[in-house]
Amino acid sequence: KQEVTQIPAALSVPEGENLVLNCSFTDSAIYNLQWFRQDPGKGLTSLLLIQSSQREQTSGRLNASLDKSSGRSTLYIAASQPGDSATYLCAVIINTGGFKTIFGAGTRLFVKA
Amino acid sequence: SAVISQKPSRDICQRGTSLTIQCQVDSQVTMMFWYRQQPGQSLTLIATANQGSEATYESGFVIDKFPISRPNLTFSTLTVSNMSPEDSSIYLCSVGPSGGETQYFGPGTRLLVL
Repeated sequence: KQEVTQIPAALSVPEGENLVLNCSFTDSAIYNLQWFRQDPGKGLTSLLLIQSSQREQTSGRLNASLDKSSGRSTLYIAASQPGDSATYLCAVIINTGGFKTIFGAGTRLFVKA
Repeated sequence: SAVISQKPSRDICQRGTSLTIQCQVDSQVTMMFWYRQQPGQSLTLIATANQGSEATYESGFVIDKFPISRPNLTFSTLTVSNMSPEDSSIYLCSVGPSGGETQYFGPGTRLLVL
């Protein structure tokens, strides 16, 4: 059974720091991996999608890497800003006769001004 | 990309009543998903809704409690039946992935059951 774990569960950093959020999954047979952002009480916003054949994706200050064989992904946020404060969710998409998304519990990030 | 709207955005309901949540997508999609996010928790898939067929429910979720309609390729409803305080959650509608593309989410419906 695929399980997704995110470390740390919560993180508080001063503005300007570079930071890394970690995601691990137990079964390397994934179709792709997606990072989302969720603001309090809101829906999810897609940040980056990495296909299983890719090793990384970049968007602005965000860089996500994927090491499928070791079951790991990282989300790197450069020069963090208070507006980055949110919960970041990692999700793997598996294909078991139909696509299904398995979510991690998320990392709650607080960037202090 | 897909733009998804949900109604209502939030509601407060009495125990024993039912609430129907609507999900509208701005483009035709094959698969629509309904998720629940309980307070402080991550997302749990309730069911997958394909147009023209019965919804497929995940373990722990049943049709009598969460009936789903999918009348066309842009719309779906989820009903939370005979509600109890344990049903207090955010309910999220989503589309994709059906071919490895990005998954998109609606803004969610915040439900509080008293």
